[in-house]
Amino acid sequence: EADIYQTPRYLVIGTGKKITLECSQTMGHDKMYWYQQDPGMELHLIHYSYGVNSTEKGDLSSESTVSRIRTEHFPLTLESARPSHTSQYLCASTPDGSGANVLTFGAGSRLTVL
Amino acid sequence: QKEVEQDPGPLSVPEGAIVSLNCTYSNSAFQYFMWYRQYSRKGPELLMYTYSSGNKEDGRFTAQVDKSSKYISLFIRDSQPSDSATYLCAIQGGGGKLIFGQGTELSVKP
Repeated sequence: EADIYQTPRYLVIGTGKKITLECSQTMGHDKMYWYQQDPGMELHLIHYSYGVNSTEKGDLSSESTVSRIRTEHFPLTLESARPSHTSQYLCASTPDGSGANVLTFGAGSRLTVL
Repeated sequence: QKEVEQDPGPLSVPEGAIVSLNCTYSNSAFQYFMWYRQYSRKGPELLMYTYSSGNKEDGRFTAQVDKSSKYISLFIRDSQPSDSATYLCAIQGGGGKLIFGQGTELSVKP
């Protein structure tokens, strides 16, 4: 059973609102990731972190920001949501180390911006 | 051209059928080849992964890698309705970066 939790699971908001998607993991993993998933499309990496106070942008440009103040917590924030931000956001983590980069995913946060 | 290509389906099979899911990739430097399963309204979960070429079996699931053809496959034997999900291939390149396929939606009918 996955030990990575995302809240809210579903969110419908109006344009211009500020939102924060929460992600927490209890596995002590150093590496955490945010992916964006749209129907019929591959997962796109939008942010990642290799540890506390470390954040990087992923391959897909995103207007969102992230922070990593604690190992277990990796929230994603949109300052002013727009309809183009409507998507499913998946948080994932993996322990540090070489070899296969096996991700544990949360259940996702489905965001709809009206 | 995408680095990883996967037929999105949907694929519908009767219960008990053998299912073959496939991905192609373009970069010969890729080393780890993974299959994730994603049920509706859930996050992906790892099914299995292989390193380099060859086969790997886990119960009803077999992962196969052909590096010469840049082709990976996942076979499901004796498919069950509980196997109905979207299957994502993921390939790991340098620095641990994962590149995902689009996912193939599979439906196993009773």
